[in-house]
Amino acid sequence: QSVLTQPPSVSGAPGQRVTISCTGSSSNIGAGYDVHWYQHLPGTAPKLLIYVNSNRPSGVPDRFSGSKSGTSASLAISGLQAEDEADYYCQSYDSILIGSVFGGGTKLTVL
Amino acid sequence: QLQLQESGPGLVKPSETLSLICTVSGGSVSSSNYYWGWIRQPPGKGLEWIGSIYYSGSTYYNPSLKSRVTISVDRSKNQFSVKLSSVTAADTAVYYCARHLYSGGSHTDYWGQGTLVTVSS
Repeated sequence: QSVLTQPPSVSGAPGQRVTISCTGSSSNIGAGYDVHWYQHLPGTAPKLLIYVNSNRPSGVPDRFSGSKSGTSASLAISGLQAEDEADYYCQSYDSILIGSVFGGGTKLTVL
Repeated sequence: QLQLQESGPGLVKPSETLSLICTVSGGSVSSSNYYWGWIRQPPGKGLEWIGSIYYSGSTYYNPSLKSRVTISVDRSKNQFSVKLSSVTAADTAVYYCARHLYSGGSHTDYWGQGTLVTVSS
C-alpha cells in the first residue's frame, strides 16, 4: 500500500489529453512538500519529468505539466503520442515516515 | 554528462548481505551540491527509496529498512555503495543508484540503469 495513491491505469487516444492524479495526506503533499514526477519505461532508468510540483527539466516537452493543490498533485499530458506509453510515478516527502515516498505508479496506454 | 553505473552480484542467498556499488563518472561524489542514493523496484511493484548519503558521510535511511541498511561513500574511487543485511525474497528487486539535490524528498535528476538482484538459495 503506497503512501501516495495513483490510479493503476489511464488511457487516451493519440492527440488527446490525460491527467494522472497523486493523492496524499497532511503529512506529505498537504504539508507543503514538493511533488516530482517520473516516466518509466520497462528495462530503462526512470526519467525525471516534473520537479518541484510544476517545473520541467530541459529537454522535457511542454506537453507535460504538473500541478499541486491541497493534498493532491496531478500530471497532465497533452497531445498524446505513442511514445508516451509508459509507467508514471509521483514522489514526495512524508514527515511521519521521515523519508521520500513514491506513488504506486500509473500505466498509461495510448490507444 | 553525469553517468551512474551499478555493479554487484545478481544473486544473493537468503539471510546473507546484499552489496552493490555505484560508480559515478562525469561528476564527483565529493560535491557539496548533491546527495547520492539508492532506490529499488521489486518485480511488478512500485519504486521504494532505500536511503541517501551526503559527501560528508551523513546518511538518511528509509525507516522500514534502517536496521538492515548501510550506505557509504568512497571519495577516492568516486563511488558510493549500499549494503542490505539479512535479505529475504522480499528484497528481490531492480536496484538503482541515483543523484538527488537535497535530503528531504528531493527529486532524482540522474539514475543508473539499474541492476536486478535476486534473493534465492
